[in-house]
This record gives sequence, structure tokens and C-alpha cells, in this order.
Amino acid sequence: SYELTQPLSVSVALGQTARITCGGNNIGSKNVHWYQQKPGQAPVLVIYRDSNRPSGIPERFSGSNSGNTATLTISRAQAGDEADYYCQVWDSNWVFGGGTKLTVL
Amino acid sequence: EVQLVESGGGLVQPGGSLRLSCAASGFTFSSYAMSWVRQAPGKGLEWVSAISGSGGSTYYADSVKGRFTISRDNSKNTLYLQMNSLRAEDTAVYYCAKREQWLGDNWFDPWGQGTLVTVSS
Repeated sequence: SYELTQPLSVSVALGQTARITCGGNNIGSKNVHWYQQKPGQAPVLVIYRDSNRPSGIPERFSGSNSGNTATLTISRAQAGDEADYYCQVWDSNWVFGGGTKLTVL
Repeated sequence: EVQLVESGGGLVQPGGSLRLSCAASGFTFSSYAMSWVRQAPGKGLEWVSAISGSGGSTYYADSVKGRFTISRDNSKNTLYLQMNSLRAEDTAVYYCAKREQWLGDNWFDPWGQGTLVTVSS
């Protein structure tokens, strides 16, 4: 079965750029989706199909995908961006990464 | 506005049963496949089950196959998950989610607020 690997944690200074990676075998050939989950809340879609933002998601959120790594980039990080972030691909069923906790310092 | 509201969670003994419901509004429910996704305490997301818009096709993760049954009532805009032979490892928050798709790709948007299932004696 297909596996996705995310770092357990990423830290970023307030106002700087955070990059969260999602690794998988030739993941660049798949579409990657990203979810944000704040403590005690349900996941929210922030990026779909590698780089598309749903309505209501700030332009500060962007995504890219190539080779064996997909990346969620959060520009001008804010305190409100602190959350767990999960990547997901479709591989005959829904496959999730293990999640990355983003801390804004 | 699309809304998904789960209910039915609670405390159940190992080997017991529980039925979860998810009430949907704000979209044409019968036109969309739906799923259940769970999250054990302090853990990541795990897809559990999915059902087509008509209800004619159902899919299950290996971890719940043969124990859980997904269904829907399109006249009531409601999704269900019947959980039997529950185990401690089924303890989790269960989310219902609306499937989005494009050219064979699938993702979830939005998700409900979740309902907690605790399996313990």
C-alpha cells in the first residue's frame, strides 16, 4: 500500500515562511491534498490537487508537488496557523500522511 | 452553506454495537459520495468507509471490513455507520466527510465536527 511521510513537527518564526513536506514514491505523479486541523476541531481543506486553494483560504497558503516530495508553503506565518497539517493522496482509497504539527514562534 | 452534523457516539463495551449518523444540508446529498474518517486520540487520520451517491457501492478499510456497515438514506439526507463487534482500537473521533472528485482523484470537503466513540469496559 502507498505510504506518505511527513515530519512530526515544523517550527516557524512569526511572519516567516513555513514549509511542510510530504514524501512518497513518485508522489509527483499523483495529486496531493492538504488539510489543516486546529486543536479540538475538524480538518479543513486548505489545498487540493497540489496547488489549488478552496474559497476562503488565504493566498498565503500554497502547494507544490514534484518527484518524491509535495510541499505545503505558508507565507507570512501567523499565530492562527498553528495546527496539525495532513497530506492525502488517492491510491485506490484515501491515504493520509501521519501529520505535521506546525508551531509559530 | 454545506453542513455535516454527526451524532450517535458514546461509551460502549468491547464487543458491543453503535450506530453513527451524519445529517447533511446545503447540497444535493444524493449526488455525492460520502465517507467516514476516524482519528484515534492523539493520532492521525484514518479512512474508514465510503459509499456512492446512490448507496449502491460501498467500500471499507481492512481494519473494519466485516464489522462496520455504511449506508445512507437520501430521502433524509443522512449518512450512517453501523459498528458491530467493537474493539478498544476502534476508540476514536469519527468524522463524516463529503467526497470531492476530479478525473479519478478524490479528496474530502467539508468535514463534520466529529463524534467520539469510546470502546471500554
